[in-house]
Amino acid sequence: KQEVTQIPAALSVPEGENLVLNCSFTDSAIYNLQWFRQDPGKGLTSLLLIQSSQREQTSGRLNASLDKSSGRSTLYIAASQPGDSATYLCAGAPGGATNKLIFGTGTLLAVQP
Amino acid sequence: NAGVTQTPKFRVLKTGQSMTLLCAQDMNHEYMYWYRQDPGMGLRLIHYSVGEGTTAKGEVPDGYNVSRLKKQNFLLGLESAAPSQTSVYFCASRPGLAGEKETQYFGPGTRLLVL
Repeated sequence: KQEVTQIPAALSVPEGENLVLNCSFTDSAIYNLQWFRQDPGKGLTSLLLIQSSQREQTSGRLNASLDKSSGRSTLYIAASQPGDSATYLCAGAPGGATNKLIFGTGTLLAVQP
Repeated sequence: NAGVTQTPKFRVLKTGQSMTLLCAQDMNHEYMYWYRQDPGMGLRLIHYSVGEGTTAKGEVPDGYNVSRLKKQNFLLGLESAAPSQTSVYFCASRPGLAGEKETQYFGPGTRLLVL
């Protein structure tokens, strides 16, 4: 059974810092790995999706990598801004076309101005 | 496009009452999902549908029923609400034809409090 873990649970950094959020999963037979952002009281917004055949994806200041052999994914945020403050969730799709997602518990990020 | 919408936004129920949560999407997506989000537990899949007229159980289906009579709507029902069903409920949809390339699109959530 796929399990997804995120470390740290919370992170506070000063504005401008580069930071890394970690996600680990137990089953390397993963269909894809996704990173979402959730603002307080809101739904989830997809940030990046890495297919099983890919190693990384980039969007603006965000870069996500996937290492299936070690069961890890990282989300790198460059030059953090206060607007990046949110909860970041990673989710793995164990396989199959239904794309059922297994979510981690998230990392709450606070970027201090 | 409105994307994925959920009705209601917030509801308070007494134990034993019933209610239906409505999810609607205007993107012609095949797949739809219902999740619940609880502190420290992350999002967990309740039920999902791979097309109109189909439903399937997710990770935590007990106490819930669903229906997908129309492609654009996915309803989540609680027949007899329990305090353990106090949670934030999220609906999501996905095209279904793009395989591993396509993400899920989430609604804004419904906050349910069962007293």
